[in-house]
Amino acid sequence: KNQVEQSPQSLIILEGKNCTLQCNYTVSPFSNLRWYKQDTGRGPVSLTIMTFSENTKSNGRYTATLDADTKQSSLHITASQLSDSASYICVVSDRGSTLGRLYFGRGTQLTVWP
Amino acid sequence: EADIYQTPRYLVIGTGKKITLECSQTMGHDKMYWYQQDPGMELHLIHYSYGVNSTEKGDLSSESTVSRIRTEHFPLTLESARPSHTSQYLCASSEGRTGPGYGYTFGSGTRLTVV
Repeated sequence: KNQVEQSPQSLIILEGKNCTLQCNYTVSPFSNLRWYKQDTGRGPVSLTIMTFSENTKSNGRYTATLDADTKQSSLHITASQLSDSASYICVVSDRGSTLGRLYFGRGTQLTVWP
Repeated sequence: EADIYQTPRYLVIGTGKKITLECSQTMGHDKMYWYQQDPGMELHLIHYSYGVNSTEKGDLSSESTVSRIRTEHFPLTLESARPSHTSQYLCASSEGRTGPGYGYTFGSGTRLTVV
């Protein structure tokens, strides 16, 4: 069964600190993995997209890594800001799907305190 | 800047009422999707469309219906709203297959509460 599991479920950090969010998946055959940021009451916004051959990708203070062998990904946030408070969702798509099938994790709820 | 728009953002409505959630995109994307999301839970696909006059049900059973008469417009309708329909509804669109070169964009969502 294709699944995406994220940890931790929730995380509280102080402003200026770094943090790392985890994503494990069983989706096969793998096409790509995306990290989205979803503010409360809003739609998800894409942060990074990685394919099988990419190990790391950065977007400002956000750096995603991918280990396709172990089917794990992480999202590292550097020098956190209050505006980073949001849910971070890992999304995996399978190869060969004409639908554009996406598998969603439940997200990690990050809270940044001043 | 979002190129996919959902209205209304928030809706509180009584049981038994008919409602239509609007979704429009200006990117010319062929594929459009409706997702349902409860707090703290993952998104569930309830409807999708490959293009004009194409609609299919998604993974999660839903009493809602959709239509796709124009490429840019993909409304979702509930004929008789019930409290169990209370949720956030997200619309999305994409150029096609989910390869890295193909955008997948979400709207801001409609928070529906049925009382």
